[in-house]
Amino acid sequence: SDELTQPPSVSVSPGQTARITCSGEALPRQHVYWYQQKPGQAPVLVIYKDTERPSGIPERFSGSSSGTTVTLTISGVQAEDEADYYCQSGDISGSYYVFGIGTKVTVL
Amino acid sequence: EVQLVESGGGLVQPGGSLRLSCTASGFTFRDYWMSWVRQAPGKGLEWVANIKRDGSDKFYVDSVKGRFTISRDNAKNTLYLQMSGLRAEDTALYYCARDPTVFGVPHFDHWGPGTLVTVSS
Repeated sequence: SDELTQPPSVSVSPGQTARITCSGEALPRQHVYWYQQKPGQAPVLVIYKDTERPSGIPERFSGSSSGTTVTLTISGVQAEDEADYYCQSGDISGSYYVFGIGTKVTVL
Repeated sequence: EVQLVESGGGLVQPGGSLRLSCTASGFTFRDYWMSWVRQAPGKGLEWVANIKRDGSDKFYVDSVKGRFTISRDNAKNTLYLQMSGLRAEDTALYYCARDPTVFGVPHFDHWGPGTLVTVSS
């Protein structure tokens, strides 16, 4: 299956650590990309190839991978990090784009 | 600075047609695969279609095959999505997105702000 499974929501207090998981059978063989989408805005790439951070993305965003699960970690969460986060990878053939359902991160 | 700006959205009746455009600037448009991605109100992201750098290959999600056509004009730095046979379930914000992938899993590094398509009578 090429489905990606994410929790619908994660809540975290300011300054704490948020961890968002993305699971899929193909993930040991395919990279995952993470996008942040704030209300009313287009998605922004925050992590690529499981662990790499694009220029301009704060260091508090990091990615890790273990088997069929990849994790986006936001360390020292700030109010501005409240957003929906989507993981994305390829389909079974690795040719098309598959998104997770998105995880809403709420900063308490 | 990479910029993608969509246009052409609006209100259309079921069964109607609409053509979306995406004007690109700040990069060499012909060097990139391009996609349309949509987001229904309150829902997640769904890839719709993509097109190869020279327009020779095009791919679609099953739900739009035979109804939508993606194309590009590299001389005008513009991406298009011709939509016909529109259904209520096509109502969404349509994003234009750039794919920088050379090898490996395809993904997006830049997105436009989107254009809203509403299908309703």
